[in-house]
Amino acid sequence: NAGVTQTPKFRVLKTGQSMTLLCAQDMNHEYMYWYRQDPGMGLRLIHYSVGEGTTAKGEVPDGYNVSRLKKQNFLLGLESAAPSQTSVYFCASSYRTISNQPQHFGDGTRLSIL
Amino acid sequence: AQKITQTQPGMFVQEKEAVTLDCTYDTSDQSYGLFWYKQPSSGEMIFLIYQGSYDEQNATEGRYSLNFQKARKSANLVISASQLGDSAMYFCAMRAGGNTGKLIFGQGTTLQVKP
Repeated sequence: NAGVTQTPKFRVLKTGQSMTLLCAQDMNHEYMYWYRQDPGMGLRLIHYSVGEGTTAKGEVPDGYNVSRLKKQNFLLGLESAAPSQTSVYFCASSYRTISNQPQHFGDGTRLSIL
Repeated sequence: AQKITQTQPGMFVQEKEAVTLDCTYDTSDQSYGLFWYKQPSSGEMIFLIYQGSYDEQNATEGRYSLNFQKARKSANLVISASQLGDSAMYFCAMRAGGNTGKLIFGQGTTLQVKP
């Protein structure tokens, strides 16, 4: 029973490099989200998707792109990494219509940009 | 603007005692939901408890209860009989109206349980 799986768990990049974070869920959830967590700031929403083929901007979308080509996968891309993007990234998913159901989170990806 | 505020950066509690973690929220929506998550030092986010804006009873889940005061826009988490394993960061979050399911998180409160 995997739930939400994030790949990779850790990564170190140099400024200007690109990379893609992968999120996969096996709960048939319609909604998926990418958050970043920084000390003292809680979790902030980067981008989200309400269904396959659809994405939307969250609170802090600059410098990131996303794609949801398959219902179970949600990819977060950094085209040109910057030190300000050093953070812990969380993917989450949830059902569309059940209001009291929580978002289920992956274990996070710790990303350092040098 | 929708906002969640957790004013206690850090809290200490003696093992076996109860502790209240504060959360206030701001929204103009009539329909919303409030969630509490626990984040232990290992980093994962664990869902604890949910309260809907139309729920008349305070939510309870085992040792966790939510003190929901709608008029004051507060949704405080009460942990009874604290255990050492309760030491963690705790986040309050709000799901506002609309069809996106987005959550707005507070800054978090670090709880340390003393033996």
